[in-house]
Amino acid sequence: QKEVEQNSGPLSVPEGAIASLNCTYSDRVSQSFFWYRQYSGKSPELIMSIYSNGDKEDGRFTAQLNKASQYVSLLIRDSQPSDSATYLCAVHASGGSYIPTFGRGTSLIVHP
Amino acid sequence: KAGVTQTPRYLIKTRGQQVTLSCSPISGHRSVSWYQQTPGQGLQFLFEYFSETQRNKGNFPGRFSGRQFSNSRSEMNVSTLELGDSALYLCASSFGAGGQETQYFGPGTRLLVL
Repeated sequence: QKEVEQNSGPLSVPEGAIASLNCTYSDRVSQSFFWYRQYSGKSPELIMSIYSNGDKEDGRFTAQLNKASQYVSLLIRDSQPSDSATYLCAVHASGGSYIPTFGRGTSLIVHP
Repeated sequence: KAGVTQTPRYLIKTRGQQVTLSCSPISGHRSVSWYQQTPGQGLQFLFEYFSETQRNKGNFPGRFSGRQFSNSRSEMNVSTLELGDSALYLCASSFGAGGQETQYFGPGTRLLVL
């Protein structure tokens, strides 16, 4: 069974710090990886996608992928209170899988 | 381009009733997936439709069903509601070609079963 694991948190960081969110997955043939942000009571919104090993940067967000170790992480630089949310990791397997597997999410709290 | 829309946004039902939720995907998207989200279970996949056919199905009882119309709009139905069906129901759309696709979520329908 494909599994995506995330620490539920909450992860608490001070404003301006770097928040590091981690996700591990069990399916070695996974190909596509996504990070979603979900504010309380709202639906998930896509932050980043990553497909190749290494880092991918978009503004204050950096996704890191290591397929050999089967983990993907999200770094948030200069964290703001508005970044306080639950962050969901989603993983697509290969072979034309249409449905990603979601982790349960990590709750991030950025305090002033 | 308009995003994914879901109606209604909120619903209150009583046990034993049935409910129908609607989802309109992003224009051009042919795949619609439905998820149930609860605090205890996280995001759980219900089913996925592509070109009016159910292509994938999660582990939910037969009380949960869905369909997709020729314009890609989708509905899901829950019959004989139970208290445990109270949840946020999310619809997500994608192009449907598989592989490295991104799913875009609608705002959700919050269902409360009393």
